[in-house]
Amino acid sequence: DIQMTQSPSSLSASVGDRVTLTCRASLNIKKYLNWYQQKPGKAPKLLIYTTSNLQDGVPSRFSGSGSGTDFTLTISSLQPEDFATYFCQQTYDTLMYTFGQGTKLEIK
Amino acid sequence: QVQLQESGPGLVKPSGTLSVTCTVSGDSLSRSTWWSWVRQPPGKGLEWLGEVFHSGNTNYSPSLKSRVTMSVDKSKNQLSLKLNSVTAADTAMYFCARAGVGVGGFDYWGQGILVTVSS
Repeated sequence: DIQMTQSPSSLSASVGDRVTLTCRASLNIKKYLNWYQQKPGKAPKLLIYTTSNLQDGVPSRFSGSGSGTDFTLTISSLQPEDFATYFCQQTYDTLMYTFGQGTKLEIK
Repeated sequence: QVQLQESGPGLVKPSGTLSVTCTVSGDSLSRSTWWSWVRQPPGKGLEWLGEVFHSGNTNYSPSLKSRVTMSVDKSKNQLSLKLNSVTAADTAMYFCARAGVGVGGFDYWGQGILVTVSS
C-alpha cells in the first residue's frame, strides 16, 4: 500500500493567518492527490483534486501544489469556517486508495 | 442535485454481518463511474474499503477482501455493503461516496451511518 503521512497532526492558528498543511506519499504518486475538509459529525468534502484543481464552489483562498511525493494545501487567509480536519488522499494506486491520518486545524 | 443516503442497522453483534445500503438520488448508478465505501472509527481517520462499478466489477481493500462484498442494484439505484465476521474493530461511521466524473477524488458523499459492533 502507498502510505500517506500528513504533518502536522494538529495546528493552532488565528483568523486571517496563512497556513500550509503537508502530505507526503511513500511512493511517487505523480499528481494523483486530493484534499478533503471534514467538520465534526459531517462527511468529508472534496476541496482540491489532482493536486491543484479547486472543486466547484470551494473558495479561492484554498490552493494546492506539489508532485511526486510531497504536496501542500495552503489556506491564504483563514476564516472561522475553515477550522476543521483536513485529509489528503492518493488515487494513483487505483486498486487501493489511501488517506492520510489528518491534520486538525484549531483556533488559537 | 446528487444525494447519497446510507441506511441499515446501527448495531451488529460480534461475528455477525454488517449490512449498509446507500440510496442514490439525482444520479444514475449506470453512469460510468465508481462508487466507493469509506469508514471512519470514532475519533480516527478515513479508511477506504473498496469500490463497485455499475457493471458489478469491484475492487476491495486487501485488508478486508476476505470479509467484504459490495454490489449495485440499478433498479433501485442502490449500493450495498456487507462485511462479515465483524468485531469491535469494525465499529465506525460508514460512508458511501461517488468518484467524480472528470474530477479526481470523491465529489459526493452520504452523511454516513454509525454502526456499532457489540453484544
